[in-house]
Amino acid sequence: AQTVTQSQPEMSVQEAETVTLSCTYDTSESDYYLFWYKQPPSRQMILVIRQEAYKQQNATENRFSVNFQKAAKSFSLKISDSQLGDAAMYFCAYSSYNQGGKLIFGQGTELSVKP
Amino acid sequence: DTAVSQTPKYLVTQMGNDKSIKCEQNLGHDTMYWYKQDSKKFLKIMFSYNNKELIINETVPNRFSPKSPDKAHLNLHINSLELGDSAVYFCASSQDNRGLSPLHFGNGTRLTVT
Repeated sequence: AQTVTQSQPEMSVQEAETVTLSCTYDTSESDYYLFWYKQPPSRQMILVIRQEAYKQQNATENRFSVNFQKAAKSFSLKISDSQLGDAAMYFCAYSSYNQGGKLIFGQGTELSVKP
Repeated sequence: DTAVSQTPKYLVTQMGNDKSIKCEQNLGHDTMYWYKQDSKKFLKIMFSYNNKELIINETVPNRFSPKSPDKAHLNLHINSLELGDSAVYFCASSQDNRGLSPLHFGNGTRLTVT
């Protein structure tokens, strides 16, 4: 069965600095998709970034980028120039055609941003 | 315009009662989901429907029954509520069930069973 692990329950970063959130996953599938979602205190789930496993190039979205290491089954999220609004719970998630489109989530990492 | 809307936002009820949560999406998506987020914030799939057809049923007690009258709506009915049902329930939708399409989530319903 596919699993997603986020080993950092909490992380902290100074405003304007860079922080990296870790995620590893386990799968025997060759074709799959990886996502990072953000959940601020408002409870809303917001898509941050996604990566298709067959693409070697790491995805980027403005200040957010990923380091996708397929062989190591690692998918970390880097947030550059951290802002107060980045404070939230971040979830790493896995999906594939064989999973019927459902997302399998990690445990989450609570990110705090210090002014 | 809210893309995925679920009601109510908060639901407080007593053990043994029956309650429903409604969900509607206006994105034209084919697939809808129900997720449960527990007190430790762990998110787990409960059900998914694709074009009104049940696709995923993840070992959820029979007390939980989803209903999809059309592909824009997926409601969740819970019978004989128990203390352990207290959680945040999220509805979500995606363009299809092939995995690439990101899920769009509603704002969640916080259910408290006393």
